[in-house]
Amino acid sequence: AQTVTQSQPEMSVQEAETVTLSCTYDTSESDYYLFWYKQPPSRQMILVIRQEAYKQQNATENRFSVNFQKAAKSFSLKISDSQLGDAAMYFCAYRSVNAGNMLTFGGGTRLMVKP
Amino acid sequence: KAGVTQTPRYLIKTRGQQVTLSCSPISGHRSVSWYQQTPGQGLQFLFEYFSETQRNKGNFPGRFSGRQFSNSRSEMNVSTLELGDSALYLCASSLGVGSYNEQFFGPGTRLTVL
Repeated sequence: AQTVTQSQPEMSVQEAETVTLSCTYDTSESDYYLFWYKQPPSRQMILVIRQEAYKQQNATENRFSVNFQKAAKSFSLKISDSQLGDAAMYFCAYRSVNAGNMLTFGGGTRLMVKP
Repeated sequence: KAGVTQTPRYLIKTRGQQVTLSCSPISGHRSVSWYQQTPGQGLQFLFEYFSETQRNKGNFPGRFSGRQFSNSRSEMNVSTLELGDSALYLCASSLGVGSYNEQFFGPGTRLTVL
């Protein structure tokens, strides 16, 4: 079974600064998908960014980018120019190509943004 | 296009009772997945339905069940409620299964068991 670990329960960043959230996972599969989801206080999960394991190029979505290290099974999220609206819980998630849409989530990192 | 809707948004039940939660996916989406979110266990996968068929099931007791209707709406049922079933139940919908299908989450149903 796959496991996803987020070792930072809480992180804080100054507005306009950059922060990196860590995620590691364990799998024996060679092809899979990785995701970062944001859950604000409203509790609605929002997809931030996704990465296909077979793609070596790191995904980027505006101020959000990932550092995908397949051999190290690491998938960190970098948020540049942090904004107050970025404050939320962030979850790293793994999806096997053989298990439909089932997501395995990490424990989450609470990000606080200081004005 | 309307997002994923879940009803009710809040629910209070007592131990031993049963409960049914509903999820209406985005129009055109045929896959619905359910997750339980608790402070202690985090986010855990319950089950996934596609075209009225359960495709995957998480590691939950048989008290947790679900179904999907022909219009893709889904319900999950929890019988003989326990205090530990208190959680936020999230549902997510997507067009299909696997590949790069993006899943869209609903706002959740907050269940409190007293």
